Amino acid sequence: GAGVSQSPSNKVTEKGKDVELRCDPISGHTALYWYRQSLGQGLEFLIYFQGNSAPDKSGLPSDRFSAERTGGSVSTLTIQRTQQEDSAVYLCASRVYAGNYGYTFGSGTRLTVV
Amino acid sequence: AQTVTQSQPEMSVQEAETVTLSCTYDTSENNYYLFWYKQPPSRQMILVIRQEAYKQQNATENRFSVNFQKAAKSFSLKISDSQLGDTAMYFCAWGMEYGNKLVFGAGTILRVKS
Repeated sequence: GAGVSQSPSNKVTEKGKDVELRCDPISGHTALYWYRQSLGQGLEFLIYFQGNSAPDKSGLPSDRFSAERTGGSVSTLTIQRTQQEDSAVYLCASRVYAGNYGYTFGSGTRLTVV
Repeated sequence: AQTVTQSQPEMSVQEAETVTLSCTYDTSENNYYLFWYKQPPSRQMILVIRQEAYKQQNATENRFSVNFQKAAKSFSLKISDSQLGDTAMYFCAWGMEYGNKLVFGAGTILRVKS
């Protein structure tokens, strides 16, 4: 597609449930990033995928968070046993690995845990 | 570790006037990139302008320009002839060409008033 696509756009879930957030990057973009944006805050790095390399998971806040990227394309961020503090906008971005071409972001998934 | 600081949580400007958003950063790297992103209520992160640290010339994109002071680690954004559509959250970000993530500031909410 022309841009980074994220689904769902909005998700309301009950505390304790598991959720999956999807990101479909721009074709040909080998690097994929997940960020979390809490209300009124900046973007917090979660995880980074680059090609077939092991992902950089250094930003994942707890072991309830995990992500995978299948076939070097679509990525899924999974949050298990959701807590109210997980409520945030989850943004995905992709880019060509090198160069200063900038990062293209999706419109994010707003997750609300009730 | 790199940090990015935006010291103005909120700014207001009258339509057609000029406004400057401040950003400072800290890094021990010599070659890096700096970005300003705009996030309107739609949540879409839009790249406004980018600057390569090795370039002394300040970047310009139409009504948007930056004042890049490498020694002072300062990267401010000037918006000329402000328009109502410029109302948004603006984020300053730091990154490397082959870096694993962007580091974001906390953001500045800009309101353009008619």
